[in-house]
Amino acid sequence: GAVVSQHPSWVICKSGTSVKIECRSLDFQATTMFWYRQFPKQSLMLMATSNEGSKATYEQGVEKDKFLINHASLTLSTLTVTSAHPEDSSFYICSGGSSGGAGELFFGEGSRLTVL
Amino acid sequence: GQNIDQPTEMTATEGAIVQINCTYQTSGFNGLFWYQQHAGEAPTFLSYNVLDGLEEKGRFSSFLSRSKGYSYLLLKELQMKDSASYLCARRDDKIIFGKGTRLHILP
Repeated sequence: GAVVSQHPSWVICKSGTSVKIECRSLDFQATTMFWYRQFPKQSLMLMATSNEGSKATYEQGVEKDKFLINHASLTLSTLTVTSAHPEDSSFYICSGGSSGGAGELFFGEGSRLTVL
Repeated sequence: GQNIDQPTEMTATEGAIVQINCTYQTSGFNGLFWYQQHAGEAPTFLSYNVLDGLEEKGRFSSFLSRSKGYSYLLLKELQMKDSASYLCARRDDKIIFGKGTRLHILP
C-alpha cells in the first residue's frame, strides 16, 4: 500500500510553545489530507480536512487559530499546535487519500504530543 | 463518532469466529471502512465496501447493506494477535470513525 510518513513520532514541549507535525505522502499525491486526534482508549476524532492549495475545513469545536493546517503541496501537509496546553496532549494522526478521496485512506504513523 | 454505532468491547476465544457489527447514518453515504488498531499504533486498513455484499480477504470478511445502513466485519480462525480495536468508518465528503470495538481474544 501507499506510504504516509509522519514526524515527529514523539514530542514533548512546554506550555505556551508551538509544535509542528509534518505528514508526507511518499509515493502518491495526496489531494486530501485528514487530521485526527485520539485520546487514550478513544477513537479517532476528525479535526480538519484539507485539500491541496486551499484552506482547511475544521470540524465543530476545533479552533482553527490554535490548530494551523497547511497543505501547500500534494505531498506535504502540516499541523501546528500553537500555544500548547497540557490538555492538547494527545495522539495526532494524519491520513491521505488521492483522487479526491474516492479510495483507500493511508495513515501516517502518528505523533504523540505531551505538553508539560 | 457521528451516528456510527459499534459495540464497545467483545471477547472471543482463539480459533473461533467473531462478528463485529456497525450501523451508520445512510444519508450522503459513499463507503464504509474497517480498520484495525493495536494500542499505541496507527490504524491499518482492512477493507473498504462501497457496494452491497460480502468481500472476503483471507481470515477477514466485510459485509455491507447500504439500504439498512449496516456493515459487519467477520474474523475467522481467531489468533491472539487479533486482539485489537476495530474501527468502523463512514465516508461521505469526509471520513468519520466510530468509537471502535475492543476485541479481547482468550486462549
